[in-house]
Amino acid sequence: DVKVTQSSRYLVKRTGEKVFLECVQDMDHENMFWYRQDPGLGLRLIYFSYDVKMKEKGDIPEGYSVSREKKERFSLILESASTNQTSMYLCASTWLGVTGELFFGEGSRLTVL
Amino acid sequence: GQQLNQSPQSMFIQEGEDVSMNCTSSSIFNTWLWYKQDPGEGPVLLIALYKAGELTSNGRLTAQFGITRKDSFLNISASIPSDVGIYFCAGLDSYGQNFVFGPGTRLSVLP
Repeated sequence: DVKVTQSSRYLVKRTGEKVFLECVQDMDHENMFWYRQDPGLGLRLIYFSYDVKMKEKGDIPEGYSVSREKKERFSLILESASTNQTSMYLCASTWLGVTGELFFGEGSRLTVL
Repeated sequence: GQQLNQSPQSMFIQEGEDVSMNCTSSSIFNTWLWYKQDPGEGPVLLIALYKAGELTSNGRLTAQFGITRKDSFLNISASIPSDVGIYFCAGLDSYGQNFVFGPGTRLSVLP
């Protein structure tokens, strides 16, 4: 079974703190994604990556950065957390190709005070 | 970004009833995906559809890829309490690069 693991299920941070969200997948997927999910707004793409050291901005990259140093790991970084970044963050991965099965992690619920 | 249309937004049904929900788009998709998400959890992939007209089952779940490639539906037969959750659809665009998501259908099952 495909496994996408997010390092932290629940985090509480203070405004201005640096936040790292880690995601690891075990199926040798080329593509990895970070989304945030908010009530009424659905899933919004923050960043994605097609390969190691590659990154592309999604729909809402402001206030976020990412790192992909190894194929299996994709990290989301909030350099200076703000209260409007309180959200559910979801990592996902898939193979590069046309099948398109997208697998999600368990989610990381971030609260910024 | 683009979002899919999904209906109904929410539904309350009696245990044992069948459920039907659908997803539509103004664009053509190559792949349709259906997910279930429980509160506080990540979405779990239920069914993936790859060809127009394709009908695929997974236990009590059946999903179809519309022949126009612009819609899909999900049926759940003989609902049970653990079917409660949010079901949402996703499509992979014809370039094979962008996933687009529906807002979800919230299902409640009354005993």
